[in-house]
Amino acid sequence: AQSVTQLGSHVSVSEGALVLLRCNYSSSVPPYLFWYVQYPNQGLQLLLKYTTGATLVKGINGFEAEFKKSETSFHLTKPSAHMSDAAEYFCAVSTSGTYKYIFGTGTRLKVLA
Amino acid sequence: EPEVTQTPSHQVTQMGQEVILRCVPISNHLYFYWYRQILGQKVEFLVSFYNNEISEKSEIFDDQFSVERPDGSNFTLKIRSTKLEDSAMYFCASRAADTQYFGPGTRLTVL
Repeated sequence: AQSVTQLGSHVSVSEGALVLLRCNYSSSVPPYLFWYVQYPNQGLQLLLKYTTGATLVKGINGFEAEFKKSETSFHLTKPSAHMSDAAEYFCAVSTSGTYKYIFGTGTRLKVLA
Repeated sequence: EPEVTQTPSHQVTQMGQEVILRCVPISNHLYFYWYRQILGQKVEFLVSFYNNEISEKSEIFDDQFSVERPDGSNFTLKIRSTKLEDSAMYFCASRAADTQYFGPGTRLTVL
């Protein structure tokens, strides 16, 4: 069975500072990993994904994540936070088969002026 | 860009009533999903659907829930007799390859 752990339910950063949101996964088979963003009262928007190939993946809005198998991690980073990045971020894992997603509990990002 | 749409955006119902949540997946997708998010909690998988059959369902998806693709475009989630604890945001998703695309959700409030 798969599982996802997101450390830190709330993260605050200053505008222009590095954003680091942590995600660790557990999977007995090669995982597919995703980050989604949810703005208030909106649905889930795909930020980026890792399935195979290059372990450093780039997504929308300047975000990137690195798949580290040895650490079972898929942390999300952005070099410089913008006010518009304030949202909730969900990490998810799936595997081939039904491809159902298992989500983490989410991290709410607050960007301080 | 094609999108998953969901109606209604907000549904208020009385406990014990039946509700049907509707979704229009992206047109060339063949795999469909429902998830729910109780306020303040994580998004949870309910059911996956392919070729007019349920592929997998979670423990949450009990006999009170059913899904249907009544025509070539809609995908519905029915809750037969709603309970207070069914109050949540319900997300529909459709999949191409390894990636799911989510609709904006239906907020269900059970009074």
